[in-house]
Amino acid sequence: EDQVTQSPEALRLQEGESSSLNCSYTVSGLRGLFWYRQDPGKGPEFLFTLYSAGEEKEKERLKATLTKKESFLHITAPKPEDSATYLCAATSSGGSYIPTFGRGTSLIVHP
Amino acid sequence: KAGVTQTPRYLIKTRGQQVTLSCSPISGHRSVSWYQQTPGQGLQFLFEYFSETQRNKGNFPGRFSGRQFSNSRSEMNVSTLELGDSALYLCASSLEQGAPLHFGNGTRLTVT
Repeated sequence: EDQVTQSPEALRLQEGESSSLNCSYTVSGLRGLFWYRQDPGKGPEFLFTLYSAGEEKEKERLKATLTKKESFLHITAPKPEDSATYLCAATSSGGSYIPTFGRGTSLIVHP
Repeated sequence: KAGVTQTPRYLIKTRGQQVTLSCSPISGHRSVSWYQQTPGQGLQFLFEYFSETQRNKGNFPGRFSGRQFSNSRSEMNVSTLELGDSALYLCASSLEQGAPLHFGNGTRLTVT
């Protein structure tokens, strides 16, 4: 059974304090690893897709990386507007293309 | 380009009633998926439709059903509502299988 585990569940940072969120996955052949951002009262918003170990994607203060077992979302010098829940999801090559989602990391950045 | 639109945004229903939720995908997206989101379980997959056919189904009871129309719009129905059905129901569309999902802002269903 495919599994995606995110840690930590919650993270509080001061503005400018860089950190990383972790997403560990167990799938039968990774097809794609996705990161989403979800603001309160809204649906998740797509951020990145990673397909193979060693791949990296960047967008403003966010950088996503991928290894054979996990993905990291690095947040550099975060601002209060980066506060949100970050979700990761994985699809496997042996299945139906339906992504398995992690429970998310709730990030709060204090000014 | 308009995003995924879900209606209504909020619903309050009583146990035993039924409810229909609506979703309009991004223009050109033929795949529509539905998810249930709760604090305890996170995002749980309900079903996926493509070209009016249910392509995949999650592990939910038969009280949960859906359909997709020829214009790709989709509806989901929950019959005989239970208290545990209270959740945020999210619709997502995508260009093709395996592509990133584009979510609507959901319908918040409260069952009393």
